[in-house]
Amino acid sequence: DIQMTQSPSSLSASVGDRVTITCRASQDIRNSLAWFQQKPGRAPKSLIYAASSLQSGVPSKFSGSGSGTDFTLTISSLQPEDFATYYCQQYNGYPYTFGQGTKLEIK
Amino acid sequence: EVQLVESGGGLVQPGGSLRLSCVASGFTFTNYWMTWVRQGPGKGLEWVASINQGGGEMYYVDSVKGRFTISRDNTKNSLYLQMNGLRAEDTAVYHCARGIAAASWGQGALVTVSS
Repeated sequence: DIQMTQSPSSLSASVGDRVTITCRASQDIRNSLAWFQQKPGRAPKSLIYAASSLQSGVPSKFSGSGSGTDFTLTISSLQPEDFATYYCQQYNGYPYTFGQGTKLEIK
Repeated sequence: EVQLVESGGGLVQPGGSLRLSCVASGFTFTNYWMTWVRQGPGKGLEWVASINQGGGEMYYVDSVKGRFTISRDNTKNSLYLQMNGLRAEDTAVYHCARGIAAASWGQGALVTVSS
């Protein structure tokens, strides 16, 4: 199985900050990577697919990059509504696998 | 607007069965792979199964192989997850999602396996 490792596991930041979350795959997954945002008690929301393509309706403050094994999600100018847990997921090979999540908290 | 609405969750004893349903609207159901993802209490996301547009190709996470069956009825815009031999570790909220990259999600159905 392909292991997905996110770092950091948690992150404290302030409103207005720019943050980056990293996701590393245990083998080459090309660009078959998605990023999701989840708020407590809510369903996950898709942000990014194909490593860098923004889902329709997602603000451009979210951006993704990377290919192969190393990927990043960057969120610019943090707002209160951005504090949530973020997950990466590979869909290059079965079983599809998620990272363990990164909890973004307000400093 | 894309909508995915799950139903069929509940409390079941270990070894029991449940069938989850997901009704889709707002998009052409037959154009998309469909996926089930679960989240145990206080835990992260776990991909469970996916099925192709025609229903002839299915994939599962190892922990549910032989116990769970994903299926779809394209005439009803519906996705299903038949869960047999349920275990305590299957306790989770089960979400259906559109596509292999899970572009849209339902709110989920809670499955609790306990005696």
